[in-house]
Amino acid sequence: GAGVSQSPSNKVTEKGKDVELRCDPISGHTALYWYRQSLGQGLEFLIYFQGNSAPDKSGLPSDRFSAERTGGSVSTLTIQRTQQEDSAVYLCASRLSGSNQPQHFGDGTRLSIL
Amino acid sequence: AQSVTQLGSHVSVSEGALVLLRCNYSSSVPPYLFWYVQYPNQGLQLLLKYTTGATLVKGINGFEAEFKKSETSFHLTKPSAHMSDAAEYFCAVSEAGSARQLTFGSGTQLTVLP
Repeated sequence: GAGVSQSPSNKVTEKGKDVELRCDPISGHTALYWYRQSLGQGLEFLIYFQGNSAPDKSGLPSDRFSAERTGGSVSTLTIQRTQQEDSAVYLCASRLSGSNQPQHFGDGTRLSIL
Repeated sequence: AQSVTQLGSHVSVSEGALVLLRCNYSSSVPPYLFWYVQYPNQGLQLLLKYTTGATLVKGINGFEAEFKKSETSFHLTKPSAHMSDAAEYFCAVSEAGSARQLTFGSGTQLTVLP
């Protein structure tokens, strides 16, 4: 079946621009996570959505980062006024309900800030 | 709070030799433990997981791991390495019974020598 789909796969933009990254989770998965993977910091949690509950935003590094999940499915991660330190691979994962269920990851969006 | 330590950022083995990737965790509550593999320019693929029950878990591609509570370890092994096993491997922990995010180790790059 279809896995987690992320778009675009690569994004190059100039410092100061806004970017939007999209994630389509696996159908039926109620939980959705965003992570950031960078050379110096490894894999970092950003934000978590579960059903209709308020998202856990505790991992967002600054107020330039925001995310939404519409209709309990597609999610968009937005970075405003991008900085060079935002360059990283942004990974999305989704999971069935049940805390013992594993997270399934997309291939990520590689973001490069010039 | 949780943390994961992966000993050895780089491990090299000969084709056909035993693969042993080390993972130790710290958790104030019972953990769920996972191993993921990442190939270049791809997302993370689940190899295996431990949630409850048998402490020796088998995963895909001939890998297995054993949860040892007394040693707070979850080492990954494979009896005979194959060239296709060359990749980066991540150990991750989450809180049992919680839907919270995964905490990842820093990863181990496995090289398989011919």
